[in-house]
Amino acid sequence: KQEVTQIPAALSVPEGENLVLNCSFTDSAIYNLQWFRQDPGKGLTSLLLIQSSQREQTSGRLNASLDKSSGRSTLYIAASQPGDSATYLCAVNGQGGKLIFGQGTELSVKP
Amino acid sequence: GAGVSQSPSNKVTEKGKDVELRCDPISGHTALYWYRQSLGQGLEFLIYFQGNSAPDKSGLPSDRFSAERTGGSVSTLTIQRTQQEDSAVYLCASSFNVLGANEKLFFGSGTQLSVL
Repeated sequence: KQEVTQIPAALSVPEGENLVLNCSFTDSAIYNLQWFRQDPGKGLTSLLLIQSSQREQTSGRLNASLDKSSGRSTLYIAASQPGDSATYLCAVNGQGGKLIFGQGTELSVKP
Repeated sequence: GAGVSQSPSNKVTEKGKDVELRCDPISGHTALYWYRQSLGQGLEFLIYFQGNSAPDKSGLPSDRFSAERTGGSVSTLTIQRTQQEDSAVYLCASSFNVLGANEKLFFGSGTQLSVL
């Protein structure tokens, strides 16, 4: 059974810092891994999708890496801003046609 | 539509009552997913549809929960005889096809269900 774990559960940083969010998964038989952002009271917004054959994906200040063999992914946020404050969720797409989610990292960026 | 639409956005009900939650996916999306998010928790998979059929119902927590999708579009999630532990945000998502290597999932804003 696929299990997804995110560390840390919460993170508070001053504006301008670079930061890394971690995600690990137990079953390496995946199609892809996705990172989402969730704002309070809202649904999820897809940030990045990394296919199993890829090592990383970049979008603006965000960079996500994938090491399938070790079951790990990181989301790197450069030059953090208060608007980045949200919960970040990692999810893996296994072979069952559905996403399995971690519990998220709640990020707070202080001005 | 432009995005995944869920209604109602909030629902307060009394223990023992039945509730229906509705999801209208993005036009043309064949796959539709229901997730549940309890306070401070990650997303828990409930069920997904490919067209009108549900290949995976494994996440439905009990037989009080059921879902249907008609016409390959709108879906309803029904909870019978609601219990307080059913209180959560119920999220619906859709994708063009069943999730493969490059399919993204698009989420609605959810229905906040509170069972008193």
